Amino acid sequence: NAGVTQTPKFQVLKTGQSMTLQCAQDMNHNSMYWYRQDPGMGLRLIYYSASEGTTDKGEVPNGYNVSRLNKREFSLRLESAAPSQTSVYFCASRSSGMANEKLFFGSGTQLSVL
Amino acid sequence: GIQVEQSPPDLILQEGANSTLRCNFSDSVNNLQWFHQNPWGQLINLFYIPSGTKQNGRLSATTVATERYSLLYISSSQTTDSGVYFCAASLTGTASKLTFGTGTRLQVTL
Repeated sequence: NAGVTQTPKFQVLKTGQSMTLQCAQDMNHNSMYWYRQDPGMGLRLIYYSASEGTTDKGEVPNGYNVSRLNKREFSLRLESAAPSQTSVYFCASRSSGMANEKLFFGSGTQLSVL
Repeated sequence: GIQVEQSPPDLILQEGANSTLRCNFSDSVNNLQWFHQNPWGQLINLFYIPSGTKQNGRLSATTVATERYSLLYISSSQTTDSGVYFCAASLTGTASKLTFGTGTRLQVTL
């Protein structure tokens, strides 16, 4: 049981380049999330998908797009990377059922934009 | 949106000591969770505890929803407890949007 899988684990981009971070979960969860973590600021929600076919903005959506490809997969795209997007990105998922509301995280992607 | 504040921001303990971490939130919540981020960056879910008390080994958590706070207790701390502890909460009626506090960084020394 792999849980939440993110790829890649590390990435270096030049300003203006684009890339997509991939996330997949095998727990049959309805809800999926993308967070970024910056030093001293905790985790901030970028986008989330409450269920397949829906996406919504979180706290810091500017400069990002997302796609909920199917129930398992939720990708995050940077169209034109900026140095301010240097961060560690975490994907997460949860069931959204009343009996099981725990949030499970992937191992993170460390992104540097030069 | 909801505000989540954690205290203390940093904590240094000797192995074997006990500690209490606090999480205050600004509004009524329907979801409150505690996480541990280990020194390698991995985030582990410790508790889902929107109200009441739960225990898991040396860790326990209590949420008093009416007074808008949650406490995480670590007893007989070990060096493997080191890392950052986060709480996260979502408002009643907004089940999808968990907001994280800025964390408590714990260092357990020998």
